[in-house]
Amino acid sequence: GDSVTQMEGPVTLSEEAFLTINCTYTATGYPSLFWYVQYPGEGLQLLLKATKADDKGSNKGFEATYRKETTSFHLEKGSVQVSDSAVYFCARLLQGAQKLVFGQGTRLTINP
Amino acid sequence: DSGVTQTPKHLITATGQRVTLRCSPRSGDLSVYWYQQSLDQGLQFLIQYYNGEERAKGNILERFSAQQFPDLHSELNLSSLELGDSALYFCASSAPLAGGHYNEQFFGPGTRLTVL
Repeated sequence: GDSVTQMEGPVTLSEEAFLTINCTYTATGYPSLFWYVQYPGEGLQLLLKATKADDKGSNKGFEATYRKETTSFHLEKGSVQVSDSAVYFCARLLQGAQKLVFGQGTRLTINP
Repeated sequence: DSGVTQTPKHLITATGQRVTLRCSPRSGDLSVYWYQQSLDQGLQFLIQYYNGEERAKGNILERFSAQQFPDLHSELNLSSLELGDSALYFCASSAPLAGGHYNEQFFGPGTRLTVL
């Protein structure tokens, strides 16, 4: 069935380190792909999105490229900050479908 | 602030009880979605409404029901509550794109339900 798989956390990095959170998906058709972030005690916020193959979504220094050949949408940031500590969710939305399918979430902690 | 509001923020109740969670979508959005976030199941889609009509159903229990009113706010009703219903319930809204596709979903802050 359709699913989204993220790298297991928790992930702990030092400030200014390079971040990669892996995300792969299985789906029929061509889904739109999203990264959402959940800061402590808050709801989900859309971080970035890509709607077709080779699109690159970017926001707040984060980037992710829609790779159809590897069915992946890995999240990257060149230099993380303490304020990036949160739970990150990869999600996909099939064209014409209504529901977002989320990965299990990756908890990221950045130490000063 | 996403523009989606949810009330209450926290709800504590007992097994067997019934509760109602409320959601107001962003101004202009016609679609409302409900999701459940629990430790064991992760984030799961429950149900979607568009302009008052049910459009899609996910893993929603028969004890749960929802509706969307003419002013577009939505309510999720949870009855005969069990301990396992304790979770964070999110509402999201989106605006439709041309051709029947849908734009990204914007989430509210959630209602944390604790069943004792």
